[in-house]
Amino acid sequence: GAVVSQHPSWVICKSGTSVKIECRSLDFQATTMFWYRQFPKQSLMLMATSNEGSKATYEQGVEKDKFLINHASLTLSTLTVTSAHPEDSSFYICSAGREATGELFFGEGSRLTVL
Amino acid sequence: AQSVTQLDSQVPVFEEAPVELRCNYSSSVSVYLFWYVQYPNQGLQLLLKYLSGSTLVESINGFEAEFNKSQTSFHLRKPSVHISDTAEYFCAVSPIYNQGGKLIFGQGTELSVKP
Repeated sequence: GAVVSQHPSWVICKSGTSVKIECRSLDFQATTMFWYRQFPKQSLMLMATSNEGSKATYEQGVEKDKFLINHASLTLSTLTVTSAHPEDSSFYICSAGREATGELFFGEGSRLTVL
Repeated sequence: AQSVTQLDSQVPVFEEAPVELRCNYSSSVSVYLFWYVQYPNQGLQLLLKYLSGSTLVESINGFEAEFNKSQTSFHLRKPSVHISDTAEYFCAVSPIYNQGGKLIFGQGTELSVKP
């Protein structure tokens, strides 16, 4: 079964609103989680590394104030797309590493559509 | 820095035919190598990985990949494909010093298996 879960799996929102996506590691603790963005027919682009108890590390070109990441516990990281616009429409995927084994697990992804 | 190149964006094949999805990488440090599969509107699932040891790694559903250090390649092969193998396949690398950490993905290869 899935060891990393994302919610919601899809969301439609109006332009200007904010949307929160949750990423949970179900049966292990993850001090580090990763957020990716995937455009249609394209690869995954790493947006940021989410660190439990500290600030996220953003990749170059990713707007920190637009994509707010919070890693409040060892099993939960959230991505909030603030003041969403149609160009933010995308497939967002999170992943979490099981440190004991070095395995990386991916969530099912969340499709965001901004009207 | 690392980069991954998947040489074919689309690979159409007939059912029961063999297939090879090509992947080359560039890195100044040693890396771990992965192949992930993504079905429509879903997250990524690990297909197989090379960490160390034998350069030929196999998955449970008949795929195999061979790590070739001299050619910096990690091509994915299957001797006989099924309709159900139709999906997007991503090659990825991770620096060995970043175990369980972020992955760098190739552009993806869309495998389309036709009856």
